[in-house]
This record gives sequence, C-alpha cells and structure tokens, in this order.
Amino acid sequence: AQKVTQAQTEISVVEKEDVTLDCVYETRDTTYYLFWYKQPPSGELVFLIRRNSFDEQNEISGRYSWNFQKSTSSFNFTITASQVVDSAVYFCALSEAGQGAQKLVFGQGTRLTINP
Amino acid sequence: SQTIHQWPATLVQPVGSPLSLECTVEGTSNPNLYWYRQAAGRGLQLLFYSVGIGQISSEVPQNLSASRPQDRQFILSSKKLLLSDSGFYLCAWSVSGIRYTQYFGPGTRLTVL
Repeated sequence: AQKVTQAQTEISVVEKEDVTLDCVYETRDTTYYLFWYKQPPSGELVFLIRRNSFDEQNEISGRYSWNFQKSTSSFNFTITASQVVDSAVYFCALSEAGQGAQKLVFGQGTRLTINP
Repeated sequence: SQTIHQWPATLVQPVGSPLSLECTVEGTSNPNLYWYRQAAGRGLQLLFYSVGIGQISSEVPQNLSASRPQDRQFILSSKKLLLSDSGFYLCAWSVSGIRYTQYFGPGTRLTVL
C-alpha cells in the first residue's frame, strides 16, 4: 500500500527564515507522481507542484524549491525568506492509479506558522 | 479557464438527517471527479471518484454515497447523517486519465450535531 509521511506536525519560524518541510513516501509502483498542496485558512487546497517518478531534477519557483530524491524516497519542500503569507497547512501527496483515475494519498500535513 | 464550485459552503445538520452536497465544474469536458473528506486536524481521505456519467468508485465503505448525473456534476449524499460525518468535504477535478493534476474546490464544512 502507498503511504506518505510528513513527520513535522507543526513548524513555527520568524519571518525571513528559511524553512524545509519534509515528505517521505512509500510505493511499489515504478511510475508515480508526487504533489505538494497548500491549504490556507480559507480551506481550499492550492496546487503547488507535481513531479513524476522519472524526473529527479530539483525545481525552483521564486522562493519555493523542491528536492526529489528517489534513493531516500523523499520529496522535500523549502521556502526561502519566508513571509507571513506562507502561513498555511502544507500537504504532500502521492498518486496511485485507480480505474482510469488517479487517487491521491495524502500525508497528515504540516502546519507552518510564520511569525512577523 | 476551468472553475470548480461547491455548495453549500457551510452546513449544520442534525444527526439522522439527509445530506446533499453538490460540486460542478466549468470550462472542461469529461473530467475525472473526486470527493475527499478532511476530518478535524487530519489529512485528506479519498471517498469517491468518477471517470464518467454514472460511473462511481467507492474507496471507503461508509454512510455516504455519490452520484454523477451529468458530465460536470458530482453529488455527495447521505440518507442519515452520523456524528462522525462531520468534516470538511472537498471536491476535485482533473483531466481524464491517471497522470494529471487534481484541482480542488473551495470545500463544504459540515457539522453534524
């Protein structure tokens, strides 16, 4: 069975600090997809990034960066120079193939609080 | 561009009452549709998904059911709500197929008293 573990339940940092959110996954599939979503206080899940299992290149988007390492089954997310607006719950997810559909398995989420 | 709507935004229902939550998608055809539930302080759990009209797959046996009467409409229902049905219900859509990103709606917060 597939599983996603986000060991950090809550993280609190001061604005402008860098912060890394950890994600470890388990799967027996050779083809899979990994995702990060952001859930602000409003509740809606906002898509941040998708990675497929064949692409281990790290990605940077502004202050956000992602480190995908198949050798350690990890897909970590770093926010550089954090801002108060980054405060949210962040979810890592792994896709599992269903009957013609993709089923997401989510981690328990990491609540990130950025203090001014 | 595509838009996903959910209503109602919030709902308070007594135990034993029926439930109907609606999700609609605009700007796309033949999407995959999904219902997730997020219990308080916990992660998201997939409840149902659909790859077409009338095609529903259930992930977790429970007090809920889903239907897809139209291509871009997905409904979550219950005949009799339980206290344990309380939570935040999120609908999502994706392009048909298994390799595409799911995009989520604004959610419905359900409280069963």
